[in-house]
Amino acid sequence: QLQLQESGPGLVKPSETLSLTCSVSDDSINNNTYYWGWIRQSPGKGLEWIGSLYNGGVNTYYNPSLKSRVTISIDTSKNHFSLMLTSVTAADTGVYYCARQGWSPGWWFAPWGQGTLVTVSS
Amino acid sequence: EIVMTQSPLSLLVTPGEAASISCRSSQSLSDRNGKQYLDWYLQRPGTSPQLLIYLGSNRASGVPDRFSGSGSGTDFTLKISRVEAEDVGIYYCMQGVRNPPWTFGQGTKVEI
Repeated sequence: QLQLQESGPGLVKPSETLSLTCSVSDDSINNNTYYWGWIRQSPGKGLEWIGSLYNGGVNTYYNPSLKSRVTISIDTSKNHFSLMLTSVTAADTGVYYCARQGWSPGWWFAPWGQGTLVTVSS
Repeated sequence: EIVMTQSPLSLLVTPGEAASISCRSSQSLSDRNGKQYLDWYLQRPGTSPQLLIYLGSNRASGVPDRFSGSGSGTDFTLKISRVEAEDVGIYYCMQGVRNPPWTFGQGTKVEI
């Protein structure tokens, strides 16, 4: 059963860069069947899709509201993909999830990682 | 961006009884073949969201048949035929149309 696990610092200072990694339990990240995405959850905004990537990272898609600050990349040799969010503020505080994204047709996210809490504070 | 609106935002249910959650989208989620690009997720307390329903009415693997999804266009419903204690949590709808951004409803908290 596929499992995803987020990792990274739980505390980031304002104006700095948030960096998280999602480890995938098998090598399915190497095939081009699925997308791989990041979603966050904050009290103020609920669930918010951040971005997704596909095709070894050749294709990336970002939420327009975050696009200027987000980079998602993949390292297929390590079975993981990563999120970078620059110039963070308190509004970026929340639980960050990674997930596999599939097309049925119709996009869905499953499974999700357990999530990692990131707090932006000095 | 497609805006997803759920109602009610909270629901108190009795075990064994039925429950229903509504989700409306600001744009049609139907394609020309009649497929509905709408998912439902359940986030149990202290856990991450899990996929319950995709394509409007298809149960994900392992999801009990007491969960059913229906609707088309901009109006969708998730029904739980007989609520059990393990069904408590927050239910989210999400639109999964071809092009991003993909967006979620605000969530409906179900309590017993």
